[in-house]
Amino acid sequence: EADIYQTPRYLVIGTGKKITLECSQTMGHDKMYWYQQDPGMELHLIHYSYGVNSTEKGDLSSESTVSRIRTEHFPLTLESARPSHTSQYLCASSRGAGAEAFFGQGTRLTVV
Amino acid sequence: GQSLEQPSEVTAVEGAIVQINCTYQTSGFYGLSWYQQHDGGAPTFLSYNGLDGLEETGRFSSFLSRSDSYGYLLLQELQMKDSASYFCASDSGGYQKVTFGTGTKLQVIP
Repeated sequence: EADIYQTPRYLVIGTGKKITLECSQTMGHDKMYWYQQDPGMELHLIHYSYGVNSTEKGDLSSESTVSRIRTEHFPLTLESARPSHTSQYLCASSRGAGAEAFFGQGTRLTVV
Repeated sequence: GQSLEQPSEVTAVEGAIVQINCTYQTSGFYGLSWYQQHDGGAPTFLSYNGLDGLEETGRFSSFLSRSDSYGYLLLQELQMKDSASYFCASDSGGYQKVTFGTGTKLQVIP
C-alpha cells in the first residue's frame, strides 16, 4: 500500500483564484514529482524535487510553483487559476533511480 | 529533451500474448520502467530494466536494448482486467527525473 496522499481529490474553482494542491508521503523518499494528465493522455512532468529545498521545472511549461520545505510535503500552487489549468494533477515519490514511483490518487481540477 | 514513443492503441484477445513497444530518445539514460493505469486510477509500477535483457515478473516481462534505444512490455495469458493504459518511463538526466512515454491503451476482447 502506497503511503502518498493528495488533497483535495476533486476541486472546482473560479478563474483568478489562488489554489494549493497538497501532496504528502510517509515513506521518507527524497524524490517527488508532479505530473499533469488529461483524460486518456500521457503524463507530463511539470515539477520535481530531489530533496529538501531542491526543486526543478519539468519538461512541460507550467504556471504553477512548488516548494519542498520538508521531505514529506510537496505542495503545488497556482497563483491565478485559468480554464486552461483544468486537468488531473498526480503527485509521485520514489527512492531514486530504478526505484518504483508511488502515485497519489490525484486531484481533478476544474477551473470555470 | 526527452521523448518516449509508444503505439497509441493495441487490441488483443483474452488468453493471448501482446507486446507493447517503446522507443526513446533521452540524455543521461539510466533505465526503463513500465506502469499500468486503469481508467480513473493512478499509475502502478510493473517492472524496471536497468540493464539490457529480459526481466520476468509473473505474466509480465520487460525487455531493454540500450544500443537500439528500445524496450518492450510483454503480457502473457491476457485477462480482461489487463485492459488499461501502459506507459514506459525513463529515469534520466543529472537528477534521474522520471519521464513518461506517450502511453498505449490496451483493450482485451473475449
